Formats: sequence, C-alpha cells, structure tokens
Amino acid sequence: DGGITQSPKYLFRKEGQNVTLSCEQNLNHDAMYWYRQDPGQGLRLIYYSQIVNDFQKGDIAEGYSVSREKKESFPLTVTSAQKNPTAFYLCASSTDGTNYGYTFGSGTRLTVV
Amino acid sequence: AQTVTQSQPEMSVQEAETVTLSCTYDTSESDYYLFWYKQPPSRQMILVIRQEAYKQQNATENRFSVNFQKAAKSFSLKISDSQLGDAAMYFCAYMSGWGAQKLVFGQGTRLTINP
Repeated sequence: DGGITQSPKYLFRKEGQNVTLSCEQNLNHDAMYWYRQDPGQGLRLIYYSQIVNDFQKGDIAEGYSVSREKKESFPLTVTSAQKNPTAFYLCASSTDGTNYGYTFGSGTRLTVV
Repeated sequence: AQTVTQSQPEMSVQEAETVTLSCTYDTSESDYYLFWYKQPPSRQMILVIRQEAYKQQNATENRFSVNFQKAAKSFSLKISDSQLGDAAMYFCAYMSGWGAQKLVFGQGTRLTINP
C-alpha cells in the first residue's frame, strides 16, 4: 500500500545535539511538507518542497533544515539552534495542483532530555 | 496572510446526538479550499471533508457535513449521530487556490463523546 513513513516514532535528544527525522513516501507525490504540533497551537508549517532539489521556508523555519534530493524523501534536521524542539512533528505529501489536501505520516515525537 | 480560528478548545456530546464545531477564517482571496481533519489518539491525521470555495453547495460525507458561509467566512462541521469513534481533535484548515498548496490550520477542538 502507498503511504508516508516517518521514523522513528519517538526520539530523544540531548541539548546541543542535531537530530534528523526521516520522512519517506511512495505515493509519487510532488510536494512534501513538515509541520510542528504543540498543544493549543494546531499545526505550524516548518518547511515545504514542491519539487526535487527545491524547498521553501514555512512560518517557523528557524532552527530547522531540510533537503530534497529524491522525490520520495524529505528529511528534517532539528539543529541545536532550535530553542524549544520538544514537539510532535508531522510530515505530509500532496499531488501538486490538485488541492485535495494532504496525506500525513504517523508523526515523530521529539523530546529534549 | 490567511488565518484560521477555532474558538472552541473543547466540546462534548452525548453518543447518538449531533454536535457542531465552529471555524472562521480570514482571507482576501476568492479561490480557496477548506478542510476538516480528524486526529484521534493515535495522532494520525485523517481527512474528514473538503469544501471548494466556488461551490455554494455544502459538502457532505456520510454523518459529516459542513455549513459553509462564504460571506461570513465561516466553515462549521456538523457531526450527526455521534459515535464513540468520533472522539478526537478536529482541525479546520485553509488552502489557497493559487501557488503552493500550503495548509493553514486552526488551533483545534477536542471532541469528547459521552456514552
């Protein structure tokens, strides 16, 4: 079955460390997205990519970085510059130009210890 | 920039009753799409219903329907015959009809179903 796979499900990071969250899709979708979810704030867009080798900042990109070297993959790195990284991170994808909404992954819970 | 507001952080309803979740949005665009997503305790986001702004007819999916008031910029979700499995966080979201397909989400409403 086609879908989006996020790994790991739970991730613990020490302060000052960078950590990379994986997102892979086999839906042949052009666009991919990263959102952060905090209690009471809904989902906020971190980065998005509409095509391979191109990506744009979302509303809260500071302290994060991404790459899009393959259509199927859109990893997110949470750097030490992100002051409050503990959150639930959701990856999503969509077929460009259809406006049918997203297919979401199951998320990664990142905790700083 | 577009914004989406869900003014009800929590709602509860008796099983088999009907409940309406509110959503308002702010935009100057005429071409856009609106969505309701459900996030159960598993935290998997599930698309509930989608509305195209240029269609006056309200979208319906089985027990879920919307009341889309374009002039008032209101997009409420009605759940009929509520079931225990409907308990979840519900998010309203906006997507512009132009450019990148970015979803802008509201803060969410936590729905509890009382047996």
